[in-house]
Amino acid sequence: LAKTTQPISMDSYEGQEVNITCSHNNIATNDYITWYQQFPSQGPRFIIQGYKTKVTNEVASLFIPADRKSSTLSLPRVSLSDTAVYYCLVSDYKLSFGAGTTVTVRA
Amino acid sequence: DTEVTQTPKHLVMGMTNKKSLKCEQHMGHRAMYWYKQKAKKPPELMFVYSYEKLSINESVPSRFSPECPNSSLLNLHLHALQPEDSALYLCASSQDVTVPYEQYFGPGTRLTVT
Repeated sequence: LAKTTQPISMDSYEGQEVNITCSHNNIATNDYITWYQQFPSQGPRFIIQGYKTKVTNEVASLFIPADRKSSTLSLPRVSLSDTAVYYCLVSDYKLSFGAGTTVTVRA
Repeated sequence: DTEVTQTPKHLVMGMTNKKSLKCEQHMGHRAMYWYKQKAKKPPELMFVYSYEKLSINESVPSRFSPECPNSSLLNLHLHALQPEDSALYLCASSQDVTVPYEQYFGPGTRLTVT
Protein backbone atom coordinates (compact mmCIF):
# COMPACT_ATOMS: atom_id res chain seq x y z
CA LEU A 1 0.00 0.00 0.00
CA ALA A 2 1.27 3.45 -0.88
CA LYS A 3 2.00 5.53 2.20
CA THR A 4 0.54 9.02 2.38
CA THR A 5 1.85 12.12 4.09
CA GLN A 6 -0.38 15.06 4.96
CA PRO A 7 0.00 18.12 7.21
CA ILE A 8 -1.15 17.37 10.74
CA SER A 9 -3.30 20.47 11.01
CA MET A 10 -4.45 23.57 9.15
CA ASP A 11 -6.31 26.65 10.31
CA SER A 12 -8.57 28.77 8.17
CA TYR A 13 -11.34 31.34 8.37
CA GLU A 14 -14.86 31.20 7.08
CA GLY A 15 -15.17 32.01 3.40
CA GLN A 16 -11.58 31.13 2.57
CA GLU A 17 -10.40 28.35 0.29
CA VAL A 18 -8.55 25.51 1.99
CA ASN A 19 -6.03 23.42 0.09
CA ILE A 20 -4.65 20.23 1.62
CA THR A 21 -1.77 18.55 -0.15
CA CYS A 22 -1.10 14.86 0.23
CA SER A 23 2.16 13.21 -0.77
CA HIS A 24 2.09 9.62 -2.07
CA ASN A 25 5.43 8.97 -3.73
CA ASN A 26 4.96 5.21 -4.07
CA ILE A 27 1.56 5.27 -5.72
CA ALA A 28 0.97 2.27 -7.96
CA THR A 29 -0.56 2.22 -11.42
CA ASN A 30 -3.82 0.74 -10.16
CA ASP A 31 -4.20 3.09 -7.21
CA TYR A 32 -6.90 5.71 -6.95
CA ILE A 33 -6.70 8.74 -4.68
CA THR A 34 -9.63 9.18 -2.33
CA TRP A 35 -10.42 11.75 0.33
CA TYR A 36 -12.67 11.26 3.34
CA GLN A 37 -13.94 13.69 5.96
CA GLN A 38 -14.59 12.73 9.56
CA PHE A 39 -16.34 14.64 12.32
CA PRO A 40 -15.79 13.65 15.98
CA SER A 41 -17.58 10.43 16.99
CA GLN A 42 -18.89 9.85 13.47
CA GLY A 43 -17.84 7.56 10.66
CA PRO A 44 -15.76 8.98 7.79
CA ARG A 45 -17.65 10.38 4.83
CA PHE A 46 -16.48 10.09 1.22
CA ILE A 47 -15.64 13.46 -0.32
CA ILE A 48 -14.00 12.88 -3.68
CA GLN A 49 -11.96 10.42 -5.68
CA GLY A 50 -9.72 10.65 -8.72
CA TYR A 51 -7.06 8.95 -10.78
CA LYS A 52 -5.42 11.80 -12.65
CA THR A 53 -5.83 15.49 -13.62
CA LYS A 54 -8.72 17.27 -11.96
CA VAL A 55 -11.99 16.11 -10.49
CA THR A 56 -14.69 18.39 -9.17
CA ASN A 57 -17.95 17.72 -7.39
CA GLU A 58 -20.39 19.83 -5.43
CA VAL A 59 -18.22 20.00 -2.31
CA ALA A 60 -14.58 19.88 -3.40
CA SER A 61 -12.01 19.67 -6.15
CA LEU A 62 -9.13 17.25 -6.41
CA PHE A 63 -6.01 18.18 -8.35
CA ILE A 64 -3.61 15.41 -9.37
CA PRO A 65 -0.42 16.23 -11.31
CA ALA A 66 0.77 14.05 -14.14
CA ASP A 67 3.27 12.10 -12.02
CA ARG A 68 0.52 11.33 -9.45
CA LYS A 69 3.00 11.52 -6.58
CA SER A 70 0.87 14.07 -4.81
CA SER A 71 -2.67 15.39 -4.80
CA THR A 72 -4.41 18.49 -3.48
CA LEU A 73 -7.89 18.63 -2.02
CA SER A 74 -9.45 22.05 -2.42
CA LEU A 75 -12.40 23.11 -0.28
CA PRO A 76 -13.88 26.36 -1.60
CA ARG A 77 -15.31 28.97 0.78
CA VAL A 78 -15.20 26.90 3.96
CA SER A 79 -17.65 27.36 6.81
CA LEU A 80 -17.47 26.47 10.50
CA SER A 81 -19.14 23.15 9.71
CA ASP A 82 -16.14 22.13 7.60
CA THR A 83 -14.05 21.77 10.76
CA ALA A 84 -13.10 18.09 10.65
CA VAL A 85 -10.31 15.61 10.00
CA TYR A 86 -9.56 15.03 6.33
CA TYR A 87 -7.95 11.79 5.23
CA CYS A 88 -6.11 11.17 1.98
CA LEU A 89 -6.06 7.52 0.93
CA VAL A 90 -4.31 5.73 -1.87
CA SER A 91 -5.37 2.17 -2.38
CA ASP A 92 -6.06 -0.42 -4.99
CA TYR A 93 -8.21 -2.52 -2.68
CA LYS A 94 -7.96 -1.92 1.03
CA LEU A 95 -8.51 1.48 2.58
CA SER A 96 -5.50 2.37 4.71
CA PHE A 97 -6.06 5.61 6.58
CA GLY A 98 -3.08 7.82 7.31
CA ALA A 99 -2.92 10.28 10.18
CA GLY A 100 -5.19 12.80 8.49
CA THR A 101 -5.25 16.60 8.56
CA THR A 102 -7.28 18.38 11.21
CA VAL A 103 -8.80 21.45 9.59
CA THR A 104 -10.10 24.11 11.97
CA VAL A 105 -12.28 26.85 10.51
CA ARG A 106 -12.68 29.97 12.61
CA ALA A 107 -15.26 32.73 12.38
CA ASP B 1 -31.22 4.94 1.11
CA THR B 2 -27.45 5.46 1.54
CA GLU B 3 -27.33 4.64 5.21
CA VAL B 4 -25.32 2.15 7.19
CA THR B 5 -26.80 1.55 10.61
CA GLN B 6 -24.98 0.22 13.63
CA THR B 7 -26.30 -1.00 16.94
CA PRO B 8 -25.82 -0.41 19.75
CA LYS B 9 -24.49 3.15 19.77
CA HIS B 10 -22.73 2.57 23.07
CA LEU B 11 -21.69 -0.64 24.79
CA VAL B 12 -20.01 -1.23 28.13
CA MET B 13 -18.86 -4.76 28.81
CA GLY B 14 -16.71 -6.60 31.29
CA MET B 15 -13.74 -8.68 30.28
CA THR B 16 -15.66 -11.93 30.78
CA ASN B 17 -18.74 -10.87 28.84
CA LYS B 18 -19.86 -11.94 25.38
CA LYS B 19 -21.53 -9.30 23.25
CA SER B 20 -22.18 -8.58 19.59
CA LEU B 21 -22.12 -5.50 17.41
CA LYS B 22 -24.52 -5.30 14.52
CA CYS B 23 -24.28 -3.50 11.19
CA GLU B 24 -26.89 -3.28 8.47
CA GLN B 25 -27.13 -1.76 5.01
CA HIS B 26 -29.83 -1.88 2.37
CA MET B 27 -27.96 -0.41 -0.56
CA GLY B 28 -27.36 -3.76 -2.23
CA HIS B 29 -23.66 -3.53 -1.44
CA ARG B 30 -21.71 -6.77 -1.60
CA ALA B 31 -18.67 -5.71 0.42
CA MET B 32 -18.73 -4.93 4.13
CA TYR B 33 -15.97 -3.89 6.51
CA TRP B 34 -15.15 -3.56 10.19
CA TYR B 35 -12.77 -0.87 11.42
CA LYS B 36 -11.47 -0.01 14.86
CA GLN B 37 -10.70 3.58 15.78
CA LYS B 38 -8.97 4.69 18.94
CA ALA B 39 -9.26 8.28 20.13
CA LYS B 40 -7.46 10.80 17.91
CA LYS B 41 -6.19 8.01 15.63
CA PRO B 42 -7.26 7.03 12.12
CA PRO B 43 -9.56 4.05 11.53
CA GLU B 44 -7.77 0.71 11.26
CA LEU B 45 -9.16 -2.00 9.02
CA MET B 46 -10.04 -5.23 10.82
CA PHE B 47 -12.06 -7.39 8.43
CA VAL B 48 -13.41 -7.33 4.89
CA TYR B 49 -16.30 -9.43 3.63
CA SER B 50 -16.85 -9.74 -0.08
CA TYR B 51 -20.01 -11.48 -1.28
CA GLU B 52 -20.56 -12.77 2.25
CA LYS B 53 -17.16 -14.44 2.43
CA LEU B 54 -14.35 -13.26 4.64
CA SER B 55 -11.66 -11.98 2.29
CA ILE B 56 -9.39 -10.04 4.63
CA ASN B 57 -8.51 -10.52 8.29
CA GLU B 58 -5.90 -7.98 9.33
CA SER B 59 -4.38 -10.30 11.95
CA VAL B 60 -7.13 -9.46 14.39
CA PRO B 61 -7.10 -11.39 17.72
CA SER B 62 -9.56 -14.28 17.90
CA ARG B 63 -11.52 -12.56 20.66
CA PHE B 64 -13.09 -10.63 17.75
CA SER B 65 -15.19 -12.90 15.55
CA PRO B 66 -16.93 -11.48 12.48
CA GLU B 67 -19.99 -12.97 10.85
CA CYS B 68 -21.86 -12.09 7.68
CA PRO B 69 -25.24 -13.90 7.81
CA ASN B 70 -26.44 -12.30 4.58
CA SER B 71 -25.50 -9.56 2.16
CA SER B 72 -27.17 -6.84 4.26
CA LEU B 73 -25.96 -7.78 7.69
CA LEU B 74 -22.57 -7.86 9.40
CA ASN B 75 -21.94 -8.84 12.99
CA LEU B 76 -18.89 -8.60 15.20
CA HIS B 77 -18.93 -11.02 18.12
CA LEU B 78 -16.88 -10.02 21.11
CA HIS B 79 -15.57 -12.31 23.82
CA ALA B 80 -13.00 -11.94 26.59
CA LEU B 81 -11.99 -8.47 25.51
CA GLN B 82 -9.28 -6.41 27.15
CA PRO B 83 -9.53 -2.78 28.30
CA GLU B 84 -7.26 -1.77 25.40
CA ASP B 85 -9.99 -2.95 23.04
CA SER B 86 -12.07 0.05 24.08
CA ALA B 87 -12.59 2.09 20.91
CA LEU B 88 -15.08 3.23 18.29
CA TYR B 89 -15.98 0.32 16.04
CA LEU B 90 -17.00 1.39 12.57
CA CYS B 91 -18.81 -0.62 9.95
CA ALA B 92 -18.70 0.31 6.27
CA SER B 93 -20.01 -1.03 3.01
CA SER B 94 -19.25 -0.58 -0.68
CA GLN B 95 -20.76 -1.80 -3.90
CA ASP B 96 -17.99 -4.36 -4.16
CA VAL B 97 -14.22 -4.39 -3.84
CA THR B 98 -13.52 -3.46 -7.44
CA VAL B 99 -11.49 -0.28 -7.62
CA PRO B 100 -12.48 2.48 -7.64
CA TYR B 101 -15.10 2.31 -4.95
CA GLU B 102 -16.67 4.49 -2.31
CA GLN B 103 -17.17 3.22 1.21
CA TYR B 104 -20.20 4.26 3.22
CA PHE B 105 -19.57 4.31 6.95
CA GLY B 106 -21.97 3.88 9.81
CA PRO B 107 -21.90 6.10 12.91
CA GLY B 108 -20.01 3.52 14.92
CA THR B 109 -20.42 1.72 18.24
CA ARG B 110 -18.52 3.23 21.15
CA LEU B 111 -17.21 0.23 23.11
CA THR B 112 -15.87 0.46 26.64
CA VAL B 113 -14.30 -2.63 28.21
CA THR B 114 -14.10 -2.53 31.99
